[in-house]
Amino acid sequence: DAGVTQSPTHLIKTRGQQVTLRCSPISGHKSVSWYQQVLGQGPQFIFQYYEKEERGRGNFPDRFSARQFPNYSSELNVNALLLGDSALYLCASSSRDSHNQPQHFGDGTRLSIL
Amino acid sequence: RKEVEQDPGPFNVPEGATVAFNCTYSNSASQSFFWYRQDCRKEPKLLMSVYSSGNEDGRFTAQLNRASQYISLLIRDSKLSDSATYLCVVEQGSGGFKTIFGAGTRLFVKA
Repeated sequence: DAGVTQSPTHLIKTRGQQVTLRCSPISGHKSVSWYQQVLGQGPQFIFQYYEKEERGRGNFPDRFSARQFPNYSSELNVNALLLGDSALYLCASSSRDSHNQPQHFGDGTRLSIL
Repeated sequence: RKEVEQDPGPFNVPEGATVAFNCTYSNSASQSFFWYRQDCRKEPKLLMSVYSSGNEDGRFTAQLNRASQYISLLIRDSKLSDSATYLCVVEQGSGGFKTIFGAGTRLFVKA
């Protein structure tokens, strides 16, 4: 079975542009979470979606938005990109049919802002 | 104060050593706890869940102390392949989750 897949793997944008990152969860997983990881830090929680509804939100500005589709895939959108948005963006999925379910991560999208 | 704090690294240990990592969390309503491992330029991977009763998986032992809001990971008989960053993870909320990662502790195991 395929794991969590993310696209694209790498992306270069300039300040002020907009970007859309995509994630397909493990088959059967209904929960998708997004994280931002900068070098030397742990992943920072951005959003969690379950059954197409936002169920959790981290401390990120409104420039960050996301959605989940009926097939449980998800997109993360970032508007008005800043240099500080350069990071590895990770998507994780879990079954979330009970507490204490671990998350499975994709390889991430490495976003560079010039 | 950070919501999840870990021992500052890096830890440099010889093969065969026992090493312990500590982690504290600030929100007493936190519900689930995990240790993840992350290799350089790779995605985090689950190492083990952490339960109040403590749990062991081979050379790895995890402990949770809810009263002290403290999580630990013990690695016995360290291998070169254990070299990685170890991330403490805390989940908050029910019906919706907020997942908080610590900054990670870097471990180097040397021959």
